Amino acid sequence: EAQVTQNPRYLITVTGKKLTVTCSQNMNHEYMSWYRQDPGLGLRQIYYSMNVEVTDKGDVPEGYKVSRKEKRNFPLILESPSPNQTSLYFCASSPGLGASPLHFGNGTRLTVT
Amino acid sequence: KQEVTQIPAALSVPEGENLVLNCSFTDSAIYNLQWFRQDPGKGLTSLLLIQSSQREQTSGRLNASLDKSSGRSTLYIAASQPGDSATYLCAVRPNAGNNRKLIWGLGTSLAVNP
Repeated sequence: EAQVTQNPRYLITVTGKKLTVTCSQNMNHEYMSWYRQDPGLGLRQIYYSMNVEVTDKGDVPEGYKVSRKEKRNFPLILESPSPNQTSLYFCASSPGLGASPLHFGNGTRLTVT
Repeated sequence: KQEVTQIPAALSVPEGENLVLNCSFTDSAIYNLQWFRQDPGKGLTSLLLIQSSQREQTSGRLNASLDKSSGRSTLYIAASQPGDSATYLCAVRPNAGNNRKLIWGLGTSLAVNP
């Protein structure tokens, strides 16, 4: 089944404790992206990747890192999480930026205390 | 700067009604427009994608239209069912920029009551 898989689905952590949210897609998509979703602010892009080893900042990259060493994986790293990073995170992928829709993972609910 | 607005923010209808969700955007220079559905605790599912050269797209009971000149798209849901209850988001992909990142509306939360 074609899908984008995120893990974990739920994560509660403390300020400053490094964490990684994994994202993997099995559709051979070139484009991958991370979003956070907050009430009243909607979906905001954190980072995106056009292909392997090609990543760039989105609208809200501060406090996050990503890597794209393989086509299928695009992990999101929070080196020193803070409470303002409490949010719902989504990974998404698509073949490119053309006429194909974006495929989303089921989300990761992160709480930083 | 492109902005996407969805009105109303919430909508409650009885089962069986035909309904229209609205999406407006400020810049007509778009590459495409997508409608997504989001269920609580789940990710977004793409419903319909309309290229800038198209006027509408249909999938089952869903029909999405696009009027670039007026900066509007509508999602028409025929014969609504309780299973249609979800948040519906529209997103515009601009023509310009390397990323051409999607610009998102805040969504319309739909409740279809049995």
